[in-house]
Amino acid sequence: AQRVTQPEKLLSVFKGAPVELKCNYSYSGSPELFWYVQYSRQRLQLLLRHISRESIKGFTADLNKGETSFHLKKPFAQEEDSAMYYCALSGGTASKLTFGTGTRLQVTL
Amino acid sequence: NAGVTQTPKFQVLKTGQSMTLQCAQDMNHNSMYWYRQDPGMGLRLIYYSASEGTTDKGEVPNGYNVSRLNKREFSLRLESAAPSQTSVYFCASSDGGASYNEQFFGPGTRLTVL
Repeated sequence: AQRVTQPEKLLSVFKGAPVELKCNYSYSGSPELFWYVQYSRQRLQLLLRHISRESIKGFTADLNKGETSFHLKKPFAQEEDSAMYYCALSGGTASKLTFGTGTRLQVTL
Repeated sequence: NAGVTQTPKFQVLKTGQSMTLQCAQDMNHNSMYWYRQDPGMGLRLIYYSASEGTTDKGEVPNGYNVSRLNKREFSLRLESAAPSQTSVYFCASSDGGASYNEQFFGPGTRLTVL
């Protein structure tokens, strides 16, 4: 069975501080990992996916198969980064996603 | 393009009542999904439709039924609502096929069952 774990419900950081949102997964095959974000009063939307190896809004995430992790990082947090972040795994057909429980990032001045 | 639309936005039901949540997408996507979002539990897949004419159970299908009416529309039905079904329901769609395809989400339906 596939599983995604986000250990922190809430992460509070100061503006300009580094951010790391943790995500660990369990999957027997070769997974596709994603980070989705939900800003206040907006739809859930894709932030980035590991296959693209891209940086979006200053965020990066590296898939570490040895540690089964896909942590989301940003060197300097901005107020507009405040949102709910979900790590998700797709390991089967039809692009089905298994989501973690989410981490609320709060960036304060 | 509206993307993924859901109706209604809000609904209050009494225990035992039935209702259908509607979802439509205008992106010509093959796959559609229904999730529920509960505090502390993230999003959980209820049902999905890999392509027009097919539907399959997800993680939490009990108490729900779905219909893939055509390529655009995918409805979720609660036959006899229970308080445990109080949740925010999200519909999503994707090109399907490859597991790295992005899912596009609707705005959600907030359902309260009294």
